[in-house]
Amino acid sequence: AQRVTQPEKLLSVFKGAPVELKCNYSYSGSPELFWYVQYSRQRLQLLLRHISRESIKGFTADLNKGETSFHLKKPFAQEEDSAMYYCALSDRSGSARQLTFGSGTQLTVLP
Amino acid sequence: NAGVTQTPKFQVLKTGQSMTLQCAQDMNHNSMYWYRQDPGMGLRLIYYSASEGTTDKGEVPNGYNVSRLNKREFSLRLESAAPSQTSVYFCASRKGAGAAYNEQFFGPGTRLTVL
Repeated sequence: AQRVTQPEKLLSVFKGAPVELKCNYSYSGSPELFWYVQYSRQRLQLLLRHISRESIKGFTADLNKGETSFHLKKPFAQEEDSAMYYCALSDRSGSARQLTFGSGTQLTVLP
Repeated sequence: NAGVTQTPKFQVLKTGQSMTLQCAQDMNHNSMYWYRQDPGMGLRLIYYSASEGTTDKGEVPNGYNVSRLNKREFSLRLESAAPSQTSVYFCASRKGAGAAYNEQFFGPGTRLTVL
């Protein structure tokens, strides 16, 4: 069974400080990893996916298959980054591409 | 385009009452999903529909039924609501019907309270 673990429910950092949101997964097949973000009073939206290897809003995430991790990082946090962040995994072989989500990390960037 | 829309936005039910949550998408997507979001548990898949006319159970299907009315609409029904079904429900859709990746787009959610 696939599982996604986000060990931090709450994370607070000061503006301009680096931030890292942790995500670990367990899956025996070939997973695809994502980060979704939900800003206050907005709908859930895709932030980035590991295959694209791009930086979105200054965030990056590298898939480490050895450590089965997909941590989200940003070198200089901004107040507008405050949101709920979810790590998610999709089975590449699954016909419907269901997403398995972690429990989420609420990031607060303090002024 | 409105994307994925959900009705109602809020609902309060008494234990044992029934109701249907509506979801529609105007993006001509093939796959649709229903999730519930609970504090400390993230989003969990209730049911999904990979294409019009098909539905399958997700991680937490007990107490729910779904209908893929047509390509646009995917409804979630609670036949006899229970307090444990108090949650925020999200509908999502995806263009693809098979294994090829397409981003899932989410609706704004329905906040349901069962007393």
